Amino acid sequence: GDSVTQMEGPVTLSEEAFLTINCTYTATGYPSLFWYVQYPGEGLQLLLKATKADDKGSNKGFEATYRKETTSFHLEKGSVQVSDSAVYFCALSPPGAGSYQLTFGKGTKLSVIP
Amino acid sequence: DTAVSQTPKYLVTQMGNDKSIKCEQNLGHDTMYWYKQDSKKFLKIMFSYNNKELIINETVPNRFSPKSPDKAHLNLHINSLELGDSAVYFCASSQGPRPTDTQYFGPGTRLTVL
Repeated sequence: GDSVTQMEGPVTLSEEAFLTINCTYTATGYPSLFWYVQYPGEGLQLLLKATKADDKGSNKGFEATYRKETTSFHLEKGSVQVSDSAVYFCALSPPGAGSYQLTFGKGTKLSVIP
Repeated sequence: DTAVSQTPKYLVTQMGNDKSIKCEQNLGHDTMYWYKQDSKKFLKIMFSYNNKELIINETVPNRFSPKSPDKAHLNLHINSLELGDSAVYFCASSQGPRPTDTQYFGPGTRLTVL
């Protein structure tokens, strides 16, 4: 079945450091790919998405590129802030009619220290 | 202003009790979901409704029964609560049941079974 694998956390970075959170997936065809963020005590928010190969999703300084050849959707940010501390979830939605459920990775907790 | 709202935010109850969690969305979406997030932050879909019809029913004990009185509401009723039901339950909605439709999440309901 479909699955999403994220790098194990927690990840601790200093402010202004470069962030990469790795995400790879297993799915047939071309799924849609998402990054969600969960701030402490809150629900999930969509951070960015890409719906076809080579698409780049971006939002709030975060970027991720849909790489079909490596089945990856790594999340990057050039300079993290303390306010980026949260849990980040990679997710996919399989292609095809009736395939709308999200499959999530296990989440990566990011802590940014001043 | 809240797009997806859930009540209650916290729910503490004894084993064996029956409880309900309510979800409402004011986005005009056709599709709604229930997810369970365990203590390790792993998110798994439980149910999905589209236009008040059940379209996803994952392997969930039949003690869990969703009910959608209209497109804007999806409630979750749980009978005979067990310790293992303790988790955070998230409601979500999307425009439609398509892979590319963004899902918007509620703030979550933290259920603690004693």
